[in-house]
Amino acid sequence: DIQMTQSPSSVSASIGDTVTISCRASLNTGGYLNWFQQKPGQAPKLLIYGASNLHSGVPSRFSGSGSGTDFTLTIRSLQPEDFATYYCQQSYSTPMTFGQGTRLDIK
Amino acid sequence: QEQLVQSGAELKKPGASVKVSCKTSGYSFTGYFIHWLRQAPGEGLEWLGWINPYSGTTTYAQRFQGRVTVTTDTTIDTTYMHLSGLKSDDTAVYYCARRGRGAGIDIWGQGTMVTVSS
Repeated sequence: DIQMTQSPSSVSASIGDTVTISCRASLNTGGYLNWFQQKPGQAPKLLIYGASNLHSGVPSRFSGSGSGTDFTLTIRSLQPEDFATYYCQQSYSTPMTFGQGTRLDIK
Repeated sequence: QEQLVQSGAELKKPGASVKVSCKTSGYSFTGYFIHWLRQAPGEGLEWLGWINPYSGTTTYAQRFQGRVTVTTDTTIDTTYMHLSGLKSDDTAVYYCARRGRGAGIDIWGQGTMVTVSS
């Protein structure tokens, strides 16, 4: 199985800040790396697929980068609705696996 | 509107089985794989398996092999997840979700809370 490790586990930031979340895979994921946002009581929402492709309807302040085993989610100009938990996920091979999540809190 | 709508919450005793349904609408049912995932209270996301509704082919996570079965009924565009031998640590919200373009999971059901308790 491909193990996914996110860092940090939690981060505090202010409105307008830029935040970066990292995700490392134990094996090459071939660029099949997705990012999700989840708010309490809700299903996750797809933000980025294929490492750097913005899903339809997602604001352009979200961006993804990386290749191989190392990936990054960047959120620029944080808005109040961005405070949530973020997960990376590899869709290269089964079983699909997720990072443990990064909680983004308001400072 | 493309959507997945799941069946309601379930309360089960240890050792019992549960079957959760996921009704799809707004797109070609046989054109997209359906994932099943779960999230225990306060925990992260775990993948159980998926099905190709066109062929009926399934793949399951090794740790659920023998306990989980995913099926489809193409006449009503619905997929089902059956989990047997329930234990207290199977208590979780169970999600169905569509494998979309670029292999992203692009549409999620609302989730079904399954509680296992004696």
